[in-house]
Amino acid sequence: DTAVSQTPKYLVTQMGNDKSIKCEQNLGHDTMYWYKQDSKKFLKIMFSYNNKELIINETVPNRFSPKSPDKAHLNLHINSLELGDSAVYFCASSQDWAGRNTIYFGEGSWLTVV
Amino acid sequence: AQTVTQSQPEMSVQEAETVTLSCTYDTSESDYYLFWYKQPPSRQMILVIRQEAYKQQNATENRFSVNFQKAAKSFSLKISDSQLGDAAMYFCAYKLTYKYIFGTGTRLKVLA
Repeated sequence: DTAVSQTPKYLVTQMGNDKSIKCEQNLGHDTMYWYKQDSKKFLKIMFSYNNKELIINETVPNRFSPKSPDKAHLNLHINSLELGDSAVYFCASSQDWAGRNTIYFGEGSWLTVV
Repeated sequence: AQTVTQSQPEMSVQEAETVTLSCTYDTSESDYYLFWYKQPPSRQMILVIRQEAYKQQNATENRFSVNFQKAAKSFSLKISDSQLGDAAMYFCAYKLTYKYIFGTGTRLKVLA
């Protein structure tokens, strides 16, 4: 039973397209995240949500729009895709924002923009 | 600014030997959490070990242990009896309110 699941796992698309990545966690956690891992393997936070509310937006271009319909889901929509958006995107969750908690990751979504 | 530094981009270890991966961090907080994550080629992020800053005792999980030096802000990972399956990227992470900050990673190669 996958704790944090994200779809699709692989996505190849052309520049200028719009795409979405979906994420769901069945851990009952309050806090969810999107991380981006670039070709140099740097893991950088993009967004943090707590109980469906946006808490952190780390200077991400507004072409990226997260949406949290409920606290178990955090989807990522990307408009007008650019070559530099090619990366692995990780969804993650933790029990809450303030506690001493472990962060659990999905398997990643490999986005390639051509 | 809160930062996490892994100064070793790559390390190699002979199978069955011991290796230590370094991590330093910068914080002004007194109570926080630190983690080591393993990322194999599949890119899945796997928790290896975690350490609570208020605990003086170093965390241990089977062949994995940490050397936590709070005053020096150092959090190294020791892997004993290295196995081929240990080959991966290893990330040190520090938990800040609402986000986790990761180091740049150390690629560990295990030689047969």
